Amino acid sequence: GENVEQHPSTLSVQEGDSAVIKCTYSDSASNYFPWYKQELGKRPQLIIDIRSNVGEKKDQRIAVTLNKTAKHFSLHITETQPEDSAVYFCAASPYHNFNKFYFGSGTKLNVKP
Amino acid sequence: GAVVSQHPSWVICKSGTSVKIECRSLDFQATTMFWYRQFPKQSLMLMATSNEGSKATYEQGVEKDKFLINHASLTLSTLTVTSAHPEDSSFYICSARAWDRAGLNTEAFFGQGTRLTVV
Repeated sequence: GENVEQHPSTLSVQEGDSAVIKCTYSDSASNYFPWYKQELGKRPQLIIDIRSNVGEKKDQRIAVTLNKTAKHFSLHITETQPEDSAVYFCAASPYHNFNKFYFGSGTKLNVKP
Repeated sequence: GAVVSQHPSWVICKSGTSVKIECRSLDFQATTMFWYRQFPKQSLMLMATSNEGSKATYEQGVEKDKFLINHASLTLSTLTVTSAHPEDSSFYICSARAWDRAGLNTEAFFGQGTRLTVV
């Protein structure tokens, strides 16, 4: 099955700086890669996603890059704000079992004002 | 966007009793729903895949007799934790994916989660 690894487990940045979270996956059949933000005690919320037919996607301060050859994808947050503080999860979904998500272990992002 | 509603949001039960958690897709039909378990400061661990009208598929290491799943309609899946014990205390979350107009799966929509405490 798919194995998704995520780094770092914790990340502290100063407000205004950029934050980068990286994930690798093992199953070359994975073709959908979402990123979720989860605040304490709340449900995960999708912040951005990318499909395997593109290499980069951007939405305002958030961008995701995908390298299919190397099997890794990254989340980039620019101009971080204190409200970006949360736990972020990456996930991978294989085309042959498109409903299944395999989640990374999560990154706790702390944006210091 | 699509909404998945999960109830209850929290429950406290005595050891040995059973607890049922409901997961509803409010404005779309979900032939498949997923149940996750999340320990504090950890990731979401997929427990089982709930299939409408058929048996659930459980991930390795998850006891199907302990965590009973029923998906009787296209909008409702239930997870019953049977004979609960303190080690079953956790945050349980369901999710479902909808289809967009292009026939592609959309994002996974999550329920708000259920905090189960077994005393």
